[in-house]
Amino acid sequence: EPEVTQTPSHQVTQMGQEVILRCVPISNHLYFYWYRQILGQKVEFLVSFYNNEISEKSEIFDDQFSVERPDGSNFTLKIRSTKLEDSAMYFCASSEVRNFNYGYTFGSGTRLTVV
Amino acid sequence: DAKTTQPNSMESNEEEPVHLPCNHSTISGTDYIHWYRQLPSQGPEYVIHGLTSNVNNRMASLAIAEDRKSSTLILHRATLRDAAVYYCILRGEFQGAQKLVFGQGTRLTINP
Repeated sequence: EPEVTQTPSHQVTQMGQEVILRCVPISNHLYFYWYRQILGQKVEFLVSFYNNEISEKSEIFDDQFSVERPDGSNFTLKIRSTKLEDSAMYFCASSEVRNFNYGYTFGSGTRLTVV
Repeated sequence: DAKTTQPNSMESNEEEPVHLPCNHSTISGTDYIHWYRQLPSQGPEYVIHGLTSNVNNRMASLAIAEDRKSSTLILHRATLRDAAVYYCILRGEFQGAQKLVFGQGTRLTINP
């Protein structure tokens, strides 16, 4: 079964450093998303991306965050200057169509620890 | 946003059926009812979705009330691997474009 692949599975970074989280969505999917989950809390939407631009973002997704699809396969989330409160699981997801009659596929996540 | 209400937790025994309820009394006519689950230390996983009719797939069944104000996810024969948090989510034009809005979900424990 096709999978969304995320790397690394765990990243530890110093506060103030830049991090890039990587995702390889399913190859024929056109819509891409990032979500995060702080330990013990709900899964929260960050951003959706289609046709090389952001289609929707949440209040969490401020100027410190950016997304990019640098080539035909990768989808990245960059945090420019990490804060302690950015520590969370980050999940990438993709979907084939923009349609409520369709499910997403999520990756297994990257655990980001900011120290 | 239309809200869903689920019990915080449920418990069942291995190899028995499990019925996970969800209330969505303010659902609109074009909202789809989606279910996802999150196994420990994993990302959310799509389970099933429906609009009006009951739906079956290899993972589960979804029973939707005639008035659509509630639905039930049915796991026909639970295994230990089904222990997870189950989320009932409405998706439609008025739920905010494409994003999924996760609540706290129902934490399902399966006893051996």
